[in-house]
Amino acid sequence: EVQLVQSGAEVKKPGTTVKISCKVSGYTFTDYYMHWVQQAPGKGLEWMGFVDPEDGETEYLEKFQGRVTIIADTSTDTAYMELSSLRSEDTAVYYCATATGNPDSFDYWGQGTLVTVSS
Amino acid sequence: DIQMTQSPSSLSASVGDRVTITCRASQGINNYLAWYQQKPGKVPKLLIYTASTLQSGVPSRFSGSGSGTDFTLTISSLQPEDVATYYCQYYNSAPRTWTFGQGTKVEIK
Repeated sequence: EVQLVQSGAEVKKPGTTVKISCKVSGYTFTDYYMHWVQQAPGKGLEWMGFVDPEDGETEYLEKFQGRVTIIADTSTDTAYMELSSLRSEDTAVYYCATATGNPDSFDYWGQGTLVTVSS
Repeated sequence: DIQMTQSPSSLSASVGDRVTITCRASQGINNYLAWYQQKPGKVPKLLIYTASTLQSGVPSRFSGSGSGTDFTLTISSLQPEDVATYYCQYYNSAPRTWTFGQGTKVEIK
């Protein structure tokens, strides 16, 4: 059974950095990209970027370029998403998601991690 | 950049009604168009991929169609458990980006 298990909720101050983990099981971690999706309270879904665990290649949405880093640790089958220079608008639920079927759509999702940015 | 416009933003329909949600691209795209269902407080769930392929385990009352610039998600007979927000999502291969529509909130009348 494919599972993506994310780390717990975080409360951060503006200007700091948050790092969220996503541990996978049930499939070969290096076979599929790991993506991250942001959902602000009451808002829609926004794709942030992905990492290819096979070789560490990443691509990020331009909006997050320079502030987001996504990495994959193949020794622990865990992906991480780090977002820096946090501001109140970054308060959101962050999901990891993968596409084990077609690469164009996400068939497995983590449970989500709420990040609250507040002074 | 290709823009995706999803409509309507919300709708209210009766149980048993046929419901249609549209996603329109600003220019012709391949069929890398998916649909998701997100119930309140829950994780998004993949319903349809490659415009019209039903994800395993998804009820057959859900269907997807379209090509070019216009794509549609249809619920043939709305059920109470279908109350959710539905999102389309487009994959662009160059550059590689995945873009969600704005969402459509479906409620029971």
